Amino acid sequence: DAGITQSPRHKVTETGTPVTLRCHQTENHRYMYWYRQDPGHGLRLIHYSYGVKDTDKGEVSDGYSVSRSKTEDFLLTLESATSSQTSVYFCAISAGSGNQPQHFGDGTRLSIL
Amino acid sequence: GQQLNQSPQSMFIQEGEDVSMNCTSSSIFNTWLWYKQEPGEGPVLLIALYKAGELTSNGRLTAQFGITRKDSFLNISASIPSDVGIYFCAGQDSNYQLIWGAGTKLIIKP
Repeated sequence: DAGITQSPRHKVTETGTPVTLRCHQTENHRYMYWYRQDPGHGLRLIHYSYGVKDTDKGEVSDGYSVSRSKTEDFLLTLESATSSQTSVYFCAISAGSGNQPQHFGDGTRLSIL
Repeated sequence: GQQLNQSPQSMFIQEGEDVSMNCTSSSIFNTWLWYKQEPGEGPVLLIALYKAGELTSNGRLTAQFGITRKDSFLNISASIPSDVGIYFCAGQDSNYQLIWGAGTKLIIKP
């Protein structure tokens, strides 16, 4: 593993509740990403960060917010969880945006009932 | 948005056979990446390709960046049981975002 820890690894919660997923890295990489993975789809980018307090939206950002107050931590928040947000969420890191491939954590399986 | 077409969706093969999968796009990419994912884990990078026409090997794996920059293929030679998993291609666009294929599931017949 590329020094990436996602927590929790599994979570079950109810519709309408807020949920926060954490990604912690020990590589001191500048870029961090949140993806979701659903059957029949590849990974889809939710949000990404290119530095402390610098974030931007990805392809499927509606209903999600992120924060990065330290280089090592990138938080993903579902403000009011919906069943359509049931998915597996992956965090990735990369040293740069160009020829620096992304490396992934082991994912968080989130079920919203 | 941009889309990658990855084929085949799944493959049933005998141990020892060679495997080939590919990805095509309507858009040009600057980088092609191939990842493998096993159950309960995140994708793991296998091969990164940075130049059109580039052919790169990693053990029994070989991948090529298509000359048009709109496609890439991955070959696995002499497959073994631990090759089982889902293989994903990803293309990096001009905004440095990764666009992903839907995956090729490799299953080895007993």
